[in-house]
Amino acid sequence: NAGVMQNPRHLVRRRGQEARLRCSPMKGHSHVYWYRQLPEEGLKFMVYLQKENIIDESGMPKERFSAEFPKEGPSILRIQQVVRGDSAAYFCASSPVAYEQYFGPGTRLTVT
Amino acid sequence: QKEVEQDPGPLSVPEGAIVSLNCTYSNSAFQYFMWYRQYSRKGPELLMYTYSSGNKEDGRFTAQVDKSSKYISLFIRDSQPSDSATYLCAMNTGTASKLTFGTGTRLQVTL
Repeated sequence: NAGVMQNPRHLVRRRGQEARLRCSPMKGHSHVYWYRQLPEEGLKFMVYLQKENIIDESGMPKERFSAEFPKEGPSILRIQQVVRGDSAAYFCASSPVAYEQYFGPGTRLTVT
Repeated sequence: QKEVEQDPGPLSVPEGAIVSLNCTYSNSAFQYFMWYRQYSRKGPELLMYTYSSGNKEDGRFTAQVDKSSKYISLFIRDSQPSDSATYLCAMNTGTASKLTFGTGTRLQVTL
């Protein structure tokens, strides 16, 4: 059973561009979570989705950030008009039903 | 005050030592408690999870939860150089809810 997959693993964007991060959950997992890890800081929750639904977006910045988990295909975290402060590692986790969350390898976003 | 406090270390121990890692928390609604291991530039790997108070053992790892003190621990017996990593505690209030993490403790096991 393949683990959580994320791509790209590394992404470089110039200020003002858009970043799209993809996450494919583990087979059979219907819950997807996105977290952000800034240098020297812990993981911070951003958003929790199930298929076609946003369940909890209390950690998402109000502007420029959006997430989706369509009926078919991976979950997407989109950051519009990136700024240097968006540089971080973004991790996706998936869960089958409850409290166990399994993390992917992350996407490291660098904004130049 | 952060919801979850964790000493960042670094913690350096010799090979074979028993390691004790700890977190305290302030939100009494937390019910599920997890420990993750994260190697440099990798994703967090789930090591242990426990529900409510008590102990859980898995090989060289033992997780303890004391809800009355809002204190959780992870013990690593017979530590190995391959255990060198950052250990993150995490917790949530119930099923299918967001995890709140500590900042992580960096562990170095030396030969």
